[in-house]
Amino acid sequence: DTAVSQTPKYLVTQMGNDKSIKCEQNLGHDTMYWYKQDSKKFLKIMFSYNNKELIINETVPNRFSPKSPDKAHLNLHINSLELGDSAVYFCASSQFLGGELFFGEGSRLTVL
Amino acid sequence: GQQLNQSPQSMFIQEGEDVSMNCTSSSIFNTWLWYKQEPGEGPVLLIALYKAGELTSNGRLTAQFGITRKDSFLNISASIPSDVGIYFCAGFYSGGSNYKLTFGKGTLLTVNP
Repeated sequence: DTAVSQTPKYLVTQMGNDKSIKCEQNLGHDTMYWYKQDSKKFLKIMFSYNNKELIINETVPNRFSPKSPDKAHLNLHINSLELGDSAVYFCASSQFLGGELFFGEGSRLTVL
Repeated sequence: GQQLNQSPQSMFIQEGEDVSMNCTSSSIFNTWLWYKQEPGEGPVLLIALYKAGELTSNGRLTAQFGITRKDSFLNISASIPSDVGIYFCAGFYSGGSNYKLTFGKGTLLTVNP
């Protein structure tokens, strides 16, 4: 069973479209995250939720909106996609805030 | 914010050689984590360090939490082709309520059989 799973794995879309990436963890963890990995492989945190509450919200355009319907899910919705949004987006979870992170396989977003 | 400097950026070695990479921080960290990422996959946790001076092994991998709490190193002994990947250090600074994991820029390891 995959511990942290994200869908879709690949997403190709046009500029200006709205898209969502879903994430689910079956580890029973309290905290979930979204990270963005750019073409230079740099991993940067975007958001963190702890028990469904937004804890970390880095300097991310408000076109990006996370939603956590329950502790096991953290989805990422992106409005009005831009070319610079092309990246690999990783979902991760940890048992508690400050704990070790377990990552999903990533969702590669390509904006044309 | 916290800055993490990871070096070297890349390494190209022969199978059987030992490898060493390190990270230094501008701030004190409470936790150091080392991850490996293979192409098309997410980062996988290799070693976690929680105390200054701690030395931890995981098979051929050894990592240490620096005494100053501002640095950590990862050693790989007797490298094999499947060690290929990007190795990331990451540190937690839990000052106040800011539990943010900061990543280094990664070390790309290539092992020549």
